Amino acid sequence: TQLLEQSPQFLSIQEGENLTVYCNSSSVFSSLQWYRQEPGEGPVLLVTVVTGGEVKKLKRLTFQFGDARKDSSLHITAAQPGDTGLYLCAGVGRGGSNYKLTFGKGTLLTVNP
Amino acid sequence: DVKVTQSSRYLVKRTGEKVFLECVQDMDHENMFWYRQDPGLGLRLIYFSYDVKMKEKGDIPEGYSVSREKKERFSLILESASTNQTSMYLCASRFLDSTFGGRKTEAFFGQGTRLTVV
Repeated sequence: TQLLEQSPQFLSIQEGENLTVYCNSSSVFSSLQWYRQEPGEGPVLLVTVVTGGEVKKLKRLTFQFGDARKDSSLHITAAQPGDTGLYLCAGVGRGGSNYKLTFGKGTLLTVNP
Repeated sequence: DVKVTQSSRYLVKRTGEKVFLECVQDMDHENMFWYRQDPGLGLRLIYFSYDVKMKEKGDIPEGYSVSREKKERFSLILESASTNQTSMYLCASRFLDSTFGGRKTEAFFGQGTRLTVV
C-alpha cells in the first residue's frame, strides 16, 4: 500500500499569515495532485504536479513536487478566510497502476479574520 | 461540466441489511472510484474500476463489493451492513489520458452519501 503522510493535520491561523502544508511518502508517484474540500462537498482539484522539482503557482498558492517525486508541499501566502477548508494531497500510481489515486489524511485549515 | 451523481445524500440502514450505493457520471470516464471518509483517517480507497466489468480492490475492500456493468455507473454494495461502516462515502470518476498515462487527469467527485448503520 502506498501511503501519503500529510502534516500538520490541523492548522489555525490569522488572516494575513503564511503557511506550508507537507505531503510525504516513501513511494514514488507518477504525479501528485492537491485537492480542496469544503464541508458537505466532494474534493475539487487545485493542481497536478508531474515533473520532479516542478513548481506551480495558483494566485497565492505555490505547489512544489520533490525532486524524487515522493513528496510535495503547498505554501499559501497571506492567507484569507476564504482559504479555509480541508486540503488533500493525492498520489497517482506508477506504471500499470497509474489509474489508482491514493489520498493523504488531509490538513484542516482554518483562517480566522 | 462533468457531473458525478450519487443516488442519496443521507441514508440510514439497519445492521445486517444489504445496502446499495449508486454513482453515475456523465462524461464517459474510464476510471471510477469509491472512497470512504472518516474524521482523522482521510479518504480511504475501497474499490476502483478502470473499465466496464473491471474492478480492483483498494486499501479497505473487506465487507464491500462493487459492480460496473455500464461505463457510466459504478455501484458499491455493502453485503451485510455493520455499524463500523457508518461513514461518508464518496464516488469519483476520472478520464484516462492515453498520452500521459493518466498522470494529469482530474478526479471529479460526487457530493457524498452519509451512511448511518444502526
